[in-house]
Amino acid sequence: GNSVTQMEGPVTLSEEAFLTINCTYTATGYPSLFWYVQYPGEGLQLLLKATKADDKGSNKGFEATYRKETTSFHLEKGSVQVSDSAVYFCALRDSWGKFQFGAGTQVVVTP
Amino acid sequence: GAVVSQHPSWVICKSGTSVKIECRSLDFQATTMFWYRQFPKQSLMLMATSNEGSKATYEQGVEKDKFLINHASLTLSTLTVTSAHPEDSSFYICSTSAGGLAREQFFGPGTRLTVL
Repeated sequence: GNSVTQMEGPVTLSEEAFLTINCTYTATGYPSLFWYVQYPGEGLQLLLKATKADDKGSNKGFEATYRKETTSFHLEKGSVQVSDSAVYFCALRDSWGKFQFGAGTQVVVTP
Repeated sequence: GAVVSQHPSWVICKSGTSVKIECRSLDFQATTMFWYRQFPKQSLMLMATSNEGSKATYEQGVEKDKFLINHASLTLSTLTVTSAHPEDSSFYICSTSAGGLAREQFFGPGTRLTVL
């Protein structure tokens, strides 16, 4: 079956540091890939997405590129802020529309 | 983006009682809604897919008699946890797809259930 693996947290960073959260996947066919963010006490919010190989999703300074050759969709941000503290989920959507989520990575940004 | 609401946002109940959680699509008609369960510091696990006007499709290992899903209208799906036990305590999240080529899922804010 499909699966999504992302790096374990928590990831603790200082403000303005560079953030990378690794995400790899296994899937049949050609899935779409997503990053969702969950702030404390809230539901998931779509951060960015990519629907085909070599697509780059970007939003709010975050970027991720759909790499089919390495089956990866790593999330990056060049300069994090305290407000970026949250849990980040990598996810894929298969050809039938079913989502599979990674375990989530907690990011803590300190002033 | 689309707005999905859930009610209540949190609920505490005694063991053995039943709890109903509502999921509403506020600005578009949702023929399909999804129910997820999230344990602390873990990922979302799909419980079931709720289709308007038909029976829900449950994922393997999810007890359909315990987690009753009703999708009676295009804007409302309900999840009823029957005879709740402490191990049912969790964060329950619904989502719906806007359809079309994007088929982006929009998530509700979640309902935290605590069973004493």
